[in-house]
Amino acid sequence: SQQGEEDPQALSIQEGENATMNCSYKTSINNLQWYRQNSGRGLVHLILIRSNEREKHSGRLRVTLDTSKKSSSLLITASRAADTASYFCATDGIQGAQKLVFGQGTRLTINP
Amino acid sequence: EAGVAQSPRYKIIEKRQSVAFWCNPISGHATLYWYQQILGQGPKLLIQFQNNGVVDDSQLPKDRFSAERLKGVDSTLKIQPAKLEDSAVYLCASSFGLRFPKSPQYFGPGTRLLVL
Repeated sequence: SQQGEEDPQALSIQEGENATMNCSYKTSINNLQWYRQNSGRGLVHLILIRSNEREKHSGRLRVTLDTSKKSSSLLITASRAADTASYFCATDGIQGAQKLVFGQGTRLTINP
Repeated sequence: EAGVAQSPRYKIIEKRQSVAFWCNPISGHATLYWYQQILGQGPKLLIQFQNNGVVDDSQLPKDRFSAERLKGVDSTLKIQPAKLEDSAVYLCASSFGLRFPKSPQYFGPGTRLLVL
């Protein structure tokens, strides 16, 4: 069974707008990671946030983590057409075996 | 830097046939993973190697799936015999290893398998 559940399943916005995707998970984690998948480049790692961190930035990406609610969000600011892809959260369990459990993903479409 | 290589990129077989996938991880990466991604879902871990030893194969259907990592570098994943429900993309990934807990996983392009 998959641990992470992304919300929404699909999101369509205009270029230049911000996109927010949410992820909820069930068990304790060591860290949470976000990946992007498009047909051109496969799965690409975006950002990792550890369980003792609350917020992390990377370029136009902002990730938050609330371990009390077992949830995370990914914000993409000033979206571009190239951001069109599926976004997955993946949790790394507290045992530290680097075994990722992926959610079902959010399909993001940026309209020009 | 060369990425994770996989072959073939596409494979079409009939049910009950056998198929094998090959993966060459990024040089120096100790940990190698095989995932199965069914259309519309996230990747599901099948097996994880650390060098040439198996770390986790709890979700590998061992009655039909097998995997090996010869000499701790390349890896092959085999399905014998294939079933219709094995139609999926098989992704290989690698990372620096268990001693680097913040190391991301780097994914190959995947092999798209269709079982008829």
